[in-house]
Amino acid sequence: DSGVTQTPKHLITATGQRVTLRCSPRSGDLSVYWYQQSLDQGLQFLIQYYNGEERAKGNILERFSAQQFPDLHSELNLSSLELGDSALYFCAGSAREGGTDTQYFGPGTRLTVL
Amino acid sequence: AQTVTQSQPEMSVQEAETVTLSCTYDTSESNYYLFWYKQPPSRQMILVIRQEAYKQQNATENRFSVNFQKAAKSFSLKISDSQLGDTAMYFCAHKGGSEKLVFGKGTKLTVNP
Repeated sequence: DSGVTQTPKHLITATGQRVTLRCSPRSGDLSVYWYQQSLDQGLQFLIQYYNGEERAKGNILERFSAQQFPDLHSELNLSSLELGDSALYFCAGSAREGGTDTQYFGPGTRLTVL
Repeated sequence: AQTVTQSQPEMSVQEAETVTLSCTYDTSESNYYLFWYKQPPSRQMILVIRQEAYKQQNATENRFSVNFQKAAKSFSLKISDSQLGDTAMYFCAHKGGSEKLVFGKGTKLTVNP
């Protein structure tokens, strides 16, 4: 158990809908990263927040947005959902180890869009 | 842009034997870090081992060790005394100056009894 929590574990919804995924990093983790894992794209970085501010952006669609709150938990909002958004969404918190930030992953949220 | 390549989509090994998973990467950065993550059937991503590029000594964590060849941009993972619980997808990842991890497509490892 990495100590990073994600809710919900599973989410089933319909096309066109909007969902919110939640992540709580470990105590002391200032950074939160979001990744998408799909069969065709593999594991892809979406976005990073550090202490409430957006730090880096990856292949995140305009229909997706994220934020990090003062208590450092983060939410990933996915809107106008399409079938292709079905994937496993991970968040990761990071701890400074050996000169770099090592990322520890939560258990993921499996999103199914029908 | 960084890329990570895992050329072995699937591998299998007998319990108690040793197996090596391959990974090559491409980067223009001089300071970077490499990781192996394990994803068992539970789908949890678990950190296995980390290597700093500036360190010549290969990292080890119990039964897991790496062979880091910086000039060849190669970063293989050796699992000794394989156990049934090692059955999982293994992902190699690179982290450079940007904070994001760039992952390979993974190697599915099956440990047979």
